[in-house]
Amino acid sequence: RKEVEQDPGPFNVPEGATVAFNCTYSNSASQSFFWYRQDCRKEPKLLMSVYSSGNEDGRFTAQLNRASQYISLLIRDSKLSDSATYLCVVNTGFQKLVFGTGTRLLVSP
Amino acid sequence: SAVISQKPSRDICQRGTSLTIQCQVDSQVTMMFWYRQQPGQSLTLIATANQGSEATYESGFVIDKFPISRPNLTFSTLTVSNMSPEDSSIYLCSVTGQYYEQYFGPGTRLTVT
Repeated sequence: RKEVEQDPGPFNVPEGATVAFNCTYSNSASQSFFWYRQDCRKEPKLLMSVYSSGNEDGRFTAQLNRASQYISLLIRDSKLSDSATYLCVVNTGFQKLVFGTGTRLLVSP
Repeated sequence: SAVISQKPSRDICQRGTSLTIQCQVDSQVTMMFWYRQQPGQSLTLIATANQGSEATYESGFVIDKFPISRPNLTFSTLTVSNMSPEDSSIYLCSVTGQYYEQYFGPGTRLTVT
């Protein structure tokens, strides 16, 4: 079983739609969680950290369920510029990050 | 977040040769990380580089193939040795932020022919 699993997609949605990505992780001792965004031929960039209480940043909402070892990202009112690959990332300890394979999002006009 | 630069941004190399990739950070950091991203894949950690000690390699990566230097708190190099086409990847360095998130350099795109 992979340490971090994501649906690779692609998710094709129209502008203005709401889309949700899910991620599961296998290491129950994982300490911190993140969503990164990666544009084509670019480096990953931190989108947001994921806290146990859930957190929101504008149109983006991230939630963590430690009991189910499950992380989610919700994007509301999708924009064309949201088209990218979204990487679920887990800190398994000693500052080591494990990356999911990413979920590709395509937002169309 | 730190500003990270990498050199070269891309290179095309012949099999059997070696390439050294440089990573420069605009602030002092304890740990630097080197990742590989193969075509269509996600990121895989190669090694963690601490200043003043030997790098710690992940399973499947060895020092002879990927020697790393960390001469000071703002700089590191990764060498890809005796390259084969399977080494064609993007190589990225990163540093840790305040809450264990990581920030990445722009990457080095390596093609081995």
